Amino acid sequence: KQEVTQIPAALSVPEGENLVLNCSFTDSAIYNLQWFRQDPGKGLTSLLLIQSSQREQTSGRLNASLDKSSGRSTLYIAASQPGDSATYLCAVLTSGTYKYIFGTGTRLKVLA
Amino acid sequence: DVKVTQSSRYLVKRTGEKVFLECVQDMDHENMFWYRQDPGLGLRLIYFSYDVKMKEKGDIPEGYSVSREKKERFSLILESASTNQTSMYLCASSPSMTGDYGYTFGSGTRLTVV
Repeated sequence: KQEVTQIPAALSVPEGENLVLNCSFTDSAIYNLQWFRQDPGKGLTSLLLIQSSQREQTSGRLNASLDKSSGRSTLYIAASQPGDSATYLCAVLTSGTYKYIFGTGTRLKVLA
Repeated sequence: DVKVTQSSRYLVKRTGEKVFLECVQDMDHENMFWYRQDPGLGLRLIYFSYDVKMKEKGDIPEGYSVSREKKERFSLILESASTNQTSMYLCASSPSMTGDYGYTFGSGTRLTVV
């Protein structure tokens, strides 16, 4: 059974810092992995989708990497800003299944 | 951009009431999903639908049912609301069951059952 873990649960950094959020999963037979952002009381916004054949995806200041063999993905945020404050969730679609398994998220606070 | 619209942002219902949560998507997606989100438990799949009138149970279907009479609309029904169904409910849609294009989520409905 696929399990997805995100550590740390919460992170507080000063503005301008580069930071890395971690996501680990137990079954490496995945179809893809998706990173989301969730603002308080709101729905999820898709940030990046990495297919199993890809090593990384980039969008603006965000870069997500995938290492299937070690069961890990990282979300790198460059030059963090207070507007980046949110909860970041990763979700994994295991091969042969039709549903994403979500981590419980990392709550990020960027201090001005 | 794909839009997934959930009709209510906040709902307060009484125990025992029948509750309908509505979700509409505007991009002709085949697949729609209902999740609930609770602190410390993350998102858990309640039901999903891969076509009109087709539905599959997710991980926590007990106490819920769904309806998909039209492709664009997927309704979650709480047959007899209970306090343990107080939660944030999130609807999502996707054009592909294999997730080639990921999921698009609505803004969520925060339901409180008193």
